[in-house]
Amino acid sequence: AQRVTQPEKLLSVFKGAPVELKCNYSYSGSPELFWYVQYSRQRLQLLLRHISRESIKGFTADLNKGETSFHLKKPFAQEEDSAMYYCALSGQANAGKSTFGDGTTLTVKP
Amino acid sequence: DTAVSQTPKYLVTQMGNDKSIKCEQNLGHDTMYWYKQDSKKFLKIMFSYNNKELIINETVPNRFSPKSPDKAHLNLHINSLELGDSAVYFCASSLQLTYNEQFFGPGTRLTVL
Repeated sequence: AQRVTQPEKLLSVFKGAPVELKCNYSYSGSPELFWYVQYSRQRLQLLLRHISRESIKGFTADLNKGETSFHLKKPFAQEEDSAMYYCALSGQANAGKSTFGDGTTLTVKP
Repeated sequence: DTAVSQTPKYLVTQMGNDKSIKCEQNLGHDTMYWYKQDSKKFLKIMFSYNNKELIINETVPNRFSPKSPDKAHLNLHINSLELGDSAVYFCASSLQLTYNEQFFGPGTRLTVL
């Protein structure tokens, strides 16, 4: 079965602290993994995808096929990072269906 | 502006009514989607269309009927609205069906009274 698990529903850190949002997946084959961010009352937007291997707004994520994980990390959190973060998976299986995790709400406190 | 747009932004209606939400993308994408985001912010795919053809229908009640008149539009019609239909509905598009970033619309907040 195709599944994305984000174990933390809520995550709270202080400004300047490191942050890691966890994402584990289950998929038969080679998936593509994404992180989307939704700021308060706004649309979802892509933050990063594993194949581009970019750092966006200081965030990075590495695909670990052995652990089937795609954790999102930032060394120094900022207040403007407070948002809802969704990990998502896409692949050839299941008619290309994308599966989203349940999301993690990140709060960065001053 | 190149984007995914939805109308209306807010929709408040009574139980039992029929309503439609419209979605348009001018990105030249082949694939469009409807998602439901509930009060707990869980995001669930409802439908996906590729080149106007229904690809995914994710066990959505048949009161929900998507229609894609062309590749740039995917509308959602909902019959006999129920309280549990209250949610934010997001339209999205992607270049192709697989391995592609999705571009989301601003959402339609539906409240059923």
